[in-house]
Amino acid sequence: RKEVEQDPGPFNVPEGATVAFNCTYSNSASQSFFWYRQDCRKEPKLLMSVYSSGNEDGRFTAQLNRASQYISLLIRDSKLSDSATYLCVVFGNAGKSTFGDGTTLTVKP
Amino acid sequence: GAGVSQSPRYKVAKRGQDVALRCDPISGHVSLFWYQQALGQGPEFLTYFQNEAQLDKSGLPSDRFFAERPEGSVSTLKIQRTQQEDSAVYLCASSRLAGQETQYFGPGTRLLVL
Repeated sequence: RKEVEQDPGPFNVPEGATVAFNCTYSNSASQSFFWYRQDCRKEPKLLMSVYSSGNEDGRFTAQLNRASQYISLLIRDSKLSDSATYLCVVFGNAGKSTFGDGTTLTVKP
Repeated sequence: GAGVSQSPRYKVAKRGQDVALRCDPISGHVSLFWYQQALGQGPEFLTYFQNEAQLDKSGLPSDRFFAERPEGSVSTLKIQRTQQEDSAVYLCASSRLAGQETQYFGPGTRLLVL
C-alpha cells in the first residue's frame, strides 16, 4: 500500500459542477499537508495548504481529518481552467515529503 | 523575482553515460528538494537539503545517484552510468525555511536515456 493514495480519476464534470477529491495517508505522524495543481508537462504549483480547521480560498475548500487520516479538496462552480491534475502532498516530521499520484480533472463546456 | 530554475531543460543520454542536472533555488531559500517524476505518477522524493547539509537521501534509487549543495545554494544531481529506467522528469523545489513548508518548483529536466 502506498503511503499517500489518491483516486486517479479521471473526473469528467461539466462547467459549474462541484467536485471533491480525497487523499489518504498512512503515516499518523504526518505534520503538514498541501494540495498542488499540475498542468500537463508543467511543474506542480501550490494550490493551498490544508489545516485541521479547514480552509477556503474562493471556490476551493480544503479539509484535514487526522482521525481518519485523509485530506480533501472541494471545488465549487468548476471552470474550464480548473482542468488539471491535483496532487496532495504530506510531510513527515523530518522534512521528507510524499506526493500522491494525482487525480485528473477535466471540466467540459 | 526569479523563481527556481533548472538546467538543462532537456537531456538525451546514451545508456552508460553520466549526467549532471543543475538547480538554482530561489535566493535565500534554506531547503531544497529533488524529485523524480515518471509519466502518470506523482513526484517521487529523492533527497532533501537544509542549507548545505543533506538531511535525507532515502529516496535515491541507487548508488548511481548523487546530489550535492556545497555552498547551500545551487544544487547538482548527478546520475552515473545512466540506465533506461532513469528516464523521467527531475524536479527541483525550494522552500523558504526548513522543510514542511510551501515548496516552489522549477520547470524540471526531462531526461531520456536511450
